Amino acid sequence: DSGVTQTPKHLITATGQRVTLRCSPRSGDLSVYWYQQSLDQGLQFLIHYYNGEERAKGNILERFSAQQFPDLHSELNLSSLELGDSALYFCASSAEDRGLTGELFFGEGSRLTVL
Amino acid sequence: GQNIDQPTEMTATEGAIVQINCTYQTSGFNGLFWYQQHAGEAPTFLSYNVLDGLEEKGRFSSFLSRSKGYSYLLLKELQMKDSASYLCAAVFDRGSTLGRLYFGRGTQLTVWP
Repeated sequence: DSGVTQTPKHLITATGQRVTLRCSPRSGDLSVYWYQQSLDQGLQFLIHYYNGEERAKGNILERFSAQQFPDLHSELNLSSLELGDSALYFCASSAEDRGLTGELFFGEGSRLTVL
Repeated sequence: GQNIDQPTEMTATEGAIVQINCTYQTSGFNGLFWYQQHAGEAPTFLSYNVLDGLEEKGRFSSFLSRSKGYSYLLLKELQMKDSASYLCAAVFDRGSTLGRLYFGRGTQLTVWP
C-alpha cells in the first residue's frame, strides 16, 4: 500500500459525458502528479500540483482540468469524453516540489472506460 | 517523450539473469528511475540513479552512464513473480519548475519455469 488513494477504481461512461477522478496523496506529501496510461502508450504525464499550485503541464488536453485543494487532495476532471480517453489514470505523490530525487508513490489507478 | 527507448518485450527462464536496457536523450537529464508494474496495478519504485555507476539492491541492480544516455536494470535469480512490465523513467530539467518524470513505454518481461 503506497498510501495514495484514488477513487473510483473503475468507471464506465458514455462519450460526451464528464467524470471526476479523485486522489488523496500520502500523508505529508505536497506534490500530486497525474498520469494517463493507455494500451498503446506508456505513462503520459498530464499535470503536477504542489501545495495547491500548478507546477507543470504535460500532454493534458484542453477538455481535461485538475486542481489541488487546501487539504491537498486533487481532482482530475475529464469532459466531453471520447473513446480514446479510455485509459488507466494514475495519481502519484511525492514530498518534493521542483524536482525529483526520490520515488513517486503511485495510487492503484482509476480505470476509465468510455463506450 | 524525451526519446526514452527500451525494448518492448523480453523473456527469460527462472533462475536466469536478464538485463533490460534503456536509452534517453542527454540534454537536460538529471536522474533515472526504474519502476516495476504488474498488469493492472500501480507502478512500484525499484531504483534511482543520478551518478554514473552501478546501484545494487538485492537481486536487482541498476546502472547509469550519463555521457552515453544509457541505463540498464539487471535482474538476477529470476522468479516467476518477476514477470511484469519494467518502466524506465528519466527526470529532465530538475531544479526548475519544469522538473518532471518521463516514462518509457515499458519492457514486458515474461519469466518461464
